[in-house]
Amino acid sequence: GAGVSQSPSNKVTEKGKDVELRCDPISGHTALYWYRQSLGQGLEFLIYFQGNSAPDKSGLPSDRFSAERTGGSVSTLTIQRTQQEDSAVYLCASSLGAGGGVQETQYFGPGTRLLVL
Amino acid sequence: QKEVEQNSGPLSVPEGAIASLNCTYSDRGSQSFFWYRQYSGKSPELIMSIYSNGDKEDGRFTAQLNKASQYVSLLIRDSQPSDSATYLCAVIGSGGYQKVTFGTGTKLQVIP
Repeated sequence: GAGVSQSPSNKVTEKGKDVELRCDPISGHTALYWYRQSLGQGLEFLIYFQGNSAPDKSGLPSDRFSAERTGGSVSTLTIQRTQQEDSAVYLCASSLGAGGGVQETQYFGPGTRLLVL
Repeated sequence: QKEVEQNSGPLSVPEGAIASLNCTYSDRGSQSFFWYRQYSGKSPELIMSIYSNGDKEDGRFTAQLNKASQYVSLLIRDSQPSDSATYLCAVIGSGGYQKVTFGTGTKLQVIP
């Protein structure tokens, strides 16, 4: 596709349920990033993928959060046993790679707005 | 000390004026710098990137980088109400896989 796509665009769930958020990066982009943005706040880094590997998971807030990437393309962020404080916009971004300069420019998807009741 | 710091604002400027947005960073080895614009309720979109000391101009936007002083700035000439948004500074550090760190953003309000 022309840009990064994410689904669903909105998700309302009940506390304690599991949710899966999906990200389709720009074709050919090897690097993929997940961020979280709470209302009125900055971007909170969650995890970075290079290909199917995740060299940096340091931003995942708890063991309820996990992510995977398959085929060097689609990524899924899973939140288990959701809590109300998980409510936020989850943004995915991709870049060509980590080779320096313009390759590292990140392009963002439209985000998934998660509301945990 | 935060790795990338920005004044949260809001920064208010009249229409037609120059808006100046500043960002400082702590990793002296950083090599890549980006400015993103984020409208309320939308995703960040890239405005400019800069990699060398000095100025880089693109239309009404000018990015300025001073690695010795560890700051990067964005100037918006002839500010328009449509420029009202939050501007995020992003820096790629020197360690590991060159992790991108975002500042918390400066909210700009252009008053008609």
